[in-house]
Amino acid sequence: DGGITQSPKYLFRKEGQNVTLSCEQNLNHDAMYWYRQDPGQGLRLIYYSQIVNDFQKGDIAEGYSVSREKKESFPLTVTSAQKNPTAFYLCASSIAGTGKSPLHFGNGTRLTVT
Amino acid sequence: GQSLEQPSEVTAVEGAIVQINCTYQTSGFYGLSWYQQHDGGAPTFLSYNGLDGLEETGRFSSFLSRSDSYGYLLLQELQMKDSASYFCAVRVTGTALIFGKGTTLSVSS
Repeated sequence: DGGITQSPKYLFRKEGQNVTLSCEQNLNHDAMYWYRQDPGQGLRLIYYSQIVNDFQKGDIAEGYSVSREKKESFPLTVTSAQKNPTAFYLCASSIAGTGKSPLHFGNGTRLTVT
Repeated sequence: GQSLEQPSEVTAVEGAIVQINCTYQTSGFYGLSWYQQHDGGAPTFLSYNGLDGLEETGRFSSFLSRSDSYGYLLLQELQMKDSASYFCAVRVTGTALIFGKGTTLSVSS
């Protein structure tokens, strides 16, 4: 079945450590996205990529970095510069360049930093 | 800035009809979408309005008025399984979506 896989489901890290969240899709979608979800805050866009080797900052990119070396993969690194990294992180993909193309989401990674 | 406003909570009983409103103020507009998210799960796509008017998909309908920067999601014949969070989202540029903060719908028997 086609879909988006995020791993791990739960991730625990100590403050000051960088951590990378995995996102893989086999939907052959060109566009991929990372959103952060906090209680009562909805989904906020961190980064998105419309083609391989290209990505754009979203509204809350500070403290995060991404890479898009392969069409199928869009890993997100939460760096020690991110002041409040504890959150639910959602990866999504879609057909690029189509206004009505829906986003397909993974099941998310819940990151806890102490 | 860009903002999407929707009510934080709505309650209803099984079999009823509920309307969730969304007003938006964004730098660009390429359509209004609605997503459903059950607690702790992945958001799933419900509907899209690119032009003014009503779109119907089974028990769910969505409406858009671009002149009023307003849309709504209408849920009919509510079922317990409809208890979830509902997000409106606007495509402002390229393919990225900006989401509202979500409306938590609680359906009781």
